[in-house]
Formats: sequence, C-alpha cells, structure tokens
Amino acid sequence: GEDVEQSLFLSVREGDSSVINCTYTDSSSTYLYWYKQEPGAGLQLLTYIFSNMDMKQDQRLTVLLNKKDKHLSLRIADTQTGDSAIYFCAERLDPSSASKIIFGSGTRLSIRP
Amino acid sequence: DGGITQSPKYLFRKEGQNVTLSCEQNLNHDAMYWYRQDPGQGLRLIYYSQIVNDFQKGDIAEGYSVSREKKESFPLTVTSAQKNPTAFYLCASSPSGTGSYEQYFGPGTRLTVT
Repeated sequence: GEDVEQSLFLSVREGDSSVINCTYTDSSSTYLYWYKQEPGAGLQLLTYIFSNMDMKQDQRLTVLLNKKDKHLSLRIADTQTGDSAIYFCAERLDPSSASKIIFGSGTRLSIRP
Repeated sequence: DGGITQSPKYLFRKEGQNVTLSCEQNLNHDAMYWYRQDPGQGLRLIYYSQIVNDFQKGDIAEGYSVSREKKESFPLTVTSAQKNPTAFYLCASSPSGTGSYEQYFGPGTRLTVT
C-alpha cells in the first residue's frame, strides 16, 4: 500500500544539525521529495532525489536514501531560526506521468537558542 | 515573475453556499492539482488535471468540482455537499517531460464555513 510516515516533532539547538526522517512502504517509488511549509503558507520544494541515487547535497541540505530499508532523511546543517517550519516528505510512484504524489503528515522542526 | 497565485487568502462562507477558489499559474505547466490540508495533517489530493479539458478525481473528491478550460487556470468549487469544508486549500502545478514532475505550490486559501 501507499504510506509515508514521519515523526511529528523535532527540537534542535541553533547551530546544530537537524535530521528529519521518513519511511515509505512502496518499493516502486521513483522520486522522493522534501518540502518546507512555514505558518500559513504554501509548500516550498526544497529538493528531490531519484530512486537510483543514494545521496544528494545542496548547500546546507543533504538527502540520504536507503532503498533497502525504504528510509529517506533530510539533514540540515547549521540549523538557523529561519529553518523553523513543518517539513514534508513525499513519494511519487508513477514514473511516466504527472499523477499524484503521496505526502507524509509532516515533521514540525523547532529551534531552541 | 513566474508563479502560482491563489485568491483570496481568506474566505468566509455560510453553510449551504457553493464557493469557488481561484488558482492561476504562469509557469506554463501542464499539470495542476488541488489539495486539502487539515490542522496537524498532511495533504490530501482532491482533484488533478494533467492537460487542458481533462481532470481526475483524487482521494477525497466528494463534494468538490473542478474545471480546466485554460492551461493557466484550475478553479475549485466547494459545494454544499462537502460535509466539512473548513480547511486550508492548496493548489499546485508541475511541469511535464522532466521525469521528476516536482510540484510547485501556491500560497493557499483558508476557507471557513459557518
């Protein structure tokens, strides 16, 4: 079945690294995405990874994909107060068309001084 | 400036009235989507359209209707048949032909029905 799971909350000290985890159930996932949502706003695409990759880095963001365990993580280096938001993991199953993607429930990241 | 616009940001309606939420994009994307977000929950797909004049039901289409007469526009009507219409509604679009089909979101419309 289609399911994407994330822990609900994460609290990190400013300047530390944040690691947000996600697990998915469908091994036929093709693309996996990370989105950021600030209060009252839409979702902002942060990054995505194709299922034949195991790592992608983009400035402070590192995505790790373990296909065997169906586990995806997003690491934010040097976490800042502006990183406070809800982070959504999502997966695409159908590789051939712009059909639906499945979202997790989101992880709320809070930063403490 | 390319992007997706949704209007209005806040919308209030009385129970029993239909209401239409606007979504416009100037990104030249073929596909467009409507999601509903409830507090503390992820996004649930209402409808999506991969091409003009064609659309498919998502996971929670009951009580909603859409049209796709133009590539740039994908309005959503919340009908009086929708039992719990109060929610945050998000529109998205994605390019075709890239393989990744990443979705780009508008700022959302918060609908309150009393």
